[in-house]
Amino acid sequence: DGGITQSPKYLFRKEGQNVTLSCEQNLNHDAMYWYRQDPGQGLRLIYYSQIVNDFQKGDIAEGYSVSREKKESFPLTVTSAQKNPTAFYLCASSIWGVNTEAFFGQGTRLTVV
Amino acid sequence: DAKTTQPNSMESNEEEPVHLPCNHSTISGTDYIHWYRQLPSQGPEYVIHGLTSNVNNRMASLAIAEDRKSSTLILHRATLRDAAVYYCIRANSKLTFGKGITLSVRP
Repeated sequence: DGGITQSPKYLFRKEGQNVTLSCEQNLNHDAMYWYRQDPGQGLRLIYYSQIVNDFQKGDIAEGYSVSREKKESFPLTVTSAQKNPTAFYLCASSIWGVNTEAFFGQGTRLTVV
Repeated sequence: DAKTTQPNSMESNEEEPVHLPCNHSTISGTDYIHWYRQLPSQGPEYVIHGLTSNVNNRMASLAIAEDRKSSTLILHRATLRDAAVYYCIRANSKLTFGKGITLSVRP
C-alpha cells in the first residue's frame, strides 16, 4: 500500500527539548516537504528536498533542521531555538516539478508545554 | 507569499453545483494552478491542477480564464463529505498555501 506516513500522530514535549518528527514515503518520490499549520491558518513551508542529500529552506526555517540521507525518509527536528513550536506539522512528497500532485501525510500535532 | 486570493467562506446546498473562485492576477506563464482540500486534523488532499486549458477529473472540474488571472473549481454535485477548506495554489517550483476558502454544505 503506497503512501506517506508520519509518526507519531500526537507528540508532547517539554519546553527547551529538541524533538524529531518522522516522515516516510514508499512512493519513490524524489521531492519531500515539511509544512507547519497553526489554527485557522494555511500551511507554511519549512524545508523541502528535491533529491537525497540536498534540501532548501522554505519560508519559516528558523528553529528547524532536516536531513535527507535516504530517498524514503525526511525527518524534521524542532529545536529549542524555535520560539513557538506548538503546531500541526505536515509532510508531503511528490515527483519534482509543478505539473504533478503532492501526497500528504496525516500530520503530527506537536504540543510543547 | 501565496499570490492567490480566495473568499474566506462559501455555503452550498447538498446535491447542487459549487463554484469556488480564485484570483491569481500576477501569475506567470509557467505557473500551474493547483487545488487541494483539507478536512479538520487531516493532511491536504489533491483535487486537480491545470495550466491553461480546462481540466476535468473524477472529483471536480477546473475552469481557467483565458488570461489565466483567475480560475474556478467546480464541484458538480456537492455532498456533505465535500465540506472542507479548499486551497487554490499558484505552483512555481513548490506549493505555497494561502488560507483557503471554507466550504460548508447544507443537507
